[in-house]
Amino acid sequence: DAKTTQPNSMESNEEEPVHLPCNHSTISGTDYIHWYRQLPSQGPEYVIHGLTSNVNNRMASLAIAEDRKSSTLILHRATLRDAAVYYCILRDPRNNDMRFGAGTRLTVKP
Amino acid sequence: ETGVTQSPTHLIKTRGQQVTLRCSSQSGHNTVSWYQQALGQGPQFIFQYYREEENGRGNFPPRFSGLQFPNYSSELNVNALELDDSALYLCASSLLSGGLTNEQFFGPGTRLTVL
Repeated sequence: DAKTTQPNSMESNEEEPVHLPCNHSTISGTDYIHWYRQLPSQGPEYVIHGLTSNVNNRMASLAIAEDRKSSTLILHRATLRDAAVYYCILRDPRNNDMRFGAGTRLTVKP
Repeated sequence: ETGVTQSPTHLIKTRGQQVTLRCSSQSGHNTVSWYQQALGQGPQFIFQYYREEENGRGNFPPRFSGLQFPNYSSELNVNALELDDSALYLCASSLLSGGLTNEQFFGPGTRLTVL
């Protein structure tokens, strides 16, 4: 099964952009790339997802490498409320298995 | 529109016992997924239910079972509890359309402790 690799932790300054990387070198052609984040004492929260093309929404942007073996979640202006664990996930559409990794703990400094 | 709710919030059981956890899906959603999250780790997919039928399963033994009801609420049952079953159990609801689900909405979880 394909899995994802993320840095354990990252730091950012408030109001600066943040680029969270994810490697998924064994991704299959049908796997979707999802990003969720989890704030302390809460369930995960959807951020964004994509298949092949870059995606933008009100929360973030998702840049997907041409070979799909890596992706980057971009928060354009980090706020203190963005401090969370960010999970890069591959979703297998055959059984809807969402394969979470260990995630990246993002710290935002004022 | 109410979000995903789970009950109870906390639960303590002993080894060998059985437990039932409950989830109420978000209005309009037809799919519910259950996850196990051990301390310091990411959630692990247990299974998903769509229209009262199991629609995918992760690498969990048969003593983990589930039900989805006509009103799309759901239960997770775990038999013969083991110490390693201690974890946060998360329920997530979504709308399955065209064979694909997109955004999943997670509940706050049930913290299960097995002694």
